[in-house]
Amino acid sequence: DAGVTQSPTHLIKTRGQQVTLRCSPKSGHDTVSWYQQALGQGPQFIFQYYEEEERQRGNFPDRFSGHQFPNYSSELNVNALLLGDSALYLCASSLTSRALKNIQYFGAGTRLSVL
Amino acid sequence: AQTVTQSQPEMSVQEAETVTLSCTYDTSESDYYLFWYKQPPSRQMILVIRQEAYKQQNATENRFSVNFQKAAKSFSLKISDSQLGDAAMYFCAYRVQGAQKLVFGQGTRLTINP
Repeated sequence: DAGVTQSPTHLIKTRGQQVTLRCSPKSGHDTVSWYQQALGQGPQFIFQYYEEEERQRGNFPDRFSGHQFPNYSSELNVNALLLGDSALYLCASSLTSRALKNIQYFGAGTRLSVL
Repeated sequence: AQTVTQSQPEMSVQEAETVTLSCTYDTSESDYYLFWYKQPPSRQMILVIRQEAYKQQNATENRFSVNFQKAAKSFSLKISDSQLGDAAMYFCAYRVQGAQKLVFGQGTRLTINP
């Protein structure tokens, strides 16, 4: 049973560029959440996708956008990259119908470095 | 605002001994969930244990147990018989019933001394 997979594992970009990160949820899961984890900090919630729509959003600017595909996989897009966007980006999947046991399972993340 | 505080940036323990990691949270909600996640150097967050706020009984998972004090808004993690593989960053997290996002603390780095 494949867990949550993210690609790429590492990425280096320069300021002003755009980046796309990808996530495949755990088999059977229909919901994907994205988190940003700065070095030495706890993860911060960016947004969550369910049924191909953004369901909830954290305190992140519009430069951060996402998409969910019919197969439940998801992309996170960041435009006009800033140095402060350098972080580990974590994807988590869950099964919405099991609301009381809505445990989020995480991937190993994509390490983004902005130079 | 919902916040989670882990006051111990680093902890260390001898192998086979017991260690307790602290976590406090601030919320006005009555129905929520609390979690402890482990993040080893591989970076992947692994769920260690989960507690529903409406349950008075403390959750246990093998060597891991929690001390949940709802009135004090405290949620500590006890690791018994510590093993070298327990070395990692540990994050306390909170989620309101019906909400989607997890709110994480700053983490505690746990070192196991052989």
